[in-house]
Amino acid sequence: SQKIEQNSEALNIQEGKTATLTCNYTNYSPAYLQWYRQDPGRGPVFLLLIRENEKEKRKERLKVTFDTTLKQSLFHITASQPADSATYLCALDAGGTSYGKLTFGQGTILTVHP
Amino acid sequence: NAGVTQTPKFQVLKTGQSMTLQCAQDMNHNSMYWYRQDPGMGLRLIYYSASEGTTDKGEVPNGYNVSRLNKREFSLRLESAAPSQTSVYFCASSVETYGYTFGSGTRLTVV
Repeated sequence: SQKIEQNSEALNIQEGKTATLTCNYTNYSPAYLQWYRQDPGRGPVFLLLIRENEKEKRKERLKVTFDTTLKQSLFHITASQPADSATYLCALDAGGTSYGKLTFGQGTILTVHP
Repeated sequence: NAGVTQTPKFQVLKTGQSMTLQCAQDMNHNSMYWYRQDPGMGLRLIYYSASEGTTDKGEVPNGYNVSRLNKREFSLRLESAAPSQTSVYFCASSVETYGYTFGSGTRLTVV
C-alpha cells in the first residue's frame, strides 16, 4: 500500500544547530514533493516544492533534497531559531491521474530550545 | 489580500444535524480542496475540484458532499453529521503544481 512516513514524530534541538527532518515514501512515483509548516491552531503554510528531476532546492535557511532512488526527502533548517518551532509536513503528488492532489505525512513536531 | 477564507471557525452540531462549511479564495486559483485533520491521521483529502464545474472524491468522501459554486467558492456539506466527523476541516486552493494556500480551518464537534 502507499505510505508516507515522517520518521520522527518529535525533534528537539538547540538554537543555532541544523534541524534535519526526514520524509520517506513507498509505492509512489511522485511528480514533486512539498514541505509545509503548521503552527498550533493554524492552517499549513507552504514552504518549498521540489520536482522529481531536482536534487536540491534552497530558500534562505531552508534546504530540501529529493532522492527518488531512496524514495526520501530531507528537510534542513540551518541556524535554527526558537521561532522555527512548529510542525513540519511533507506532502507529495503521485502524478498521473492524481496530479495536483497532495497526500500528506503526519508531520514532525520541531522544538528549538534557546 | 485575504487568501483562503473559511467560515465558520468553530461549530458544534448534534448527531444527525446538517451544515455547510464555506470556503472562498481570492487568488484566481483553478483548483480547490477540502481536507480533514485528525490526531494521528494527518491531513486527509475529502473532495477536490480541479476547475469550476468539476468535483471529484478524495480519500475519505463518505458522509460529505461538495459544490463548486464558481471559481472562488467551494463548499462542503455534511447532510447528517456523525461523531466520527468531529475534526478540523481545512480548505485549500492552488495553481497546478505550486504550493497550496490553506485557510485557517473550521473546528467541528459533533455530539
